Amino acid sequence: DSGVTQTPKHLITATGQRVTLRCSPRSGDLSVYWYQQSLDQGLQFLIQYYNGEERAKGNILERFSAQQFPDLHSELNLSSLELGDSALYFCASSVGSGGGTGELFFGEGSRLTVL
Amino acid sequence: AQSVTQLGSHVSVSEGALVLLRCNYSSSVPPYLFWYVQYPNQGLQLLLKYTTGATLVKGINGFEAEFKKSETSFHLTKPSAHMSDAAEYFCAVSVPGGYQKVTFGTGTKLQVIP
Repeated sequence: DSGVTQTPKHLITATGQRVTLRCSPRSGDLSVYWYQQSLDQGLQFLIQYYNGEERAKGNILERFSAQQFPDLHSELNLSSLELGDSALYFCASSVGSGGGTGELFFGEGSRLTVL
Repeated sequence: AQSVTQLGSHVSVSEGALVLLRCNYSSSVPPYLFWYVQYPNQGLQLLLKYTTGATLVKGINGFEAEFKKSETSFHLTKPSAHMSDAAEYFCAVSVPGGYQKVTFGTGTKLQVIP
């Protein structure tokens, strides 16, 4: 058990809909990372937050947004869903400050299926 | 900026044979290096990491990796492959300080043939 909790584990929805994925980081970790993993594109970095502020942005679509709340949990919002958004979405956390090494602790992922 | 290159998206070995997964990195400062493993339908978990000190790092399940600065490499090895080693392996790099941006390689799927 990594200590990172993601909900829901599975989600099936239709094209055009909007979903929210939730992540609770490991106790004490300030950084949260979101990744998308699909068969054709592999593991793609989406976005990183540190203590509530956006710190790095990767290949995140404009239809996607994220935020990190004061209690450090994070949500990834996916809107106007398309078939190609079907993927595993991982959240990871790390200490996030200069004292850490960047070691990431991953949740078990949220599997999104868009029909 | 940092980057990671994993050579070979798929590697097949026979059970009992040597496992060698290649990783080369690029970093402007001494990096931290990681190998993660992902079993089917699971999240990534840390296999081993190099931060400072001894350049030969031992991890879980009999894996080890050696940091070679002169070659900018961090290859993962295991003397004898087991069927349970079949998984996808990711090399990653981060740099000390800052907000710890972590860069992953594209992954190598290891197949173990009985």
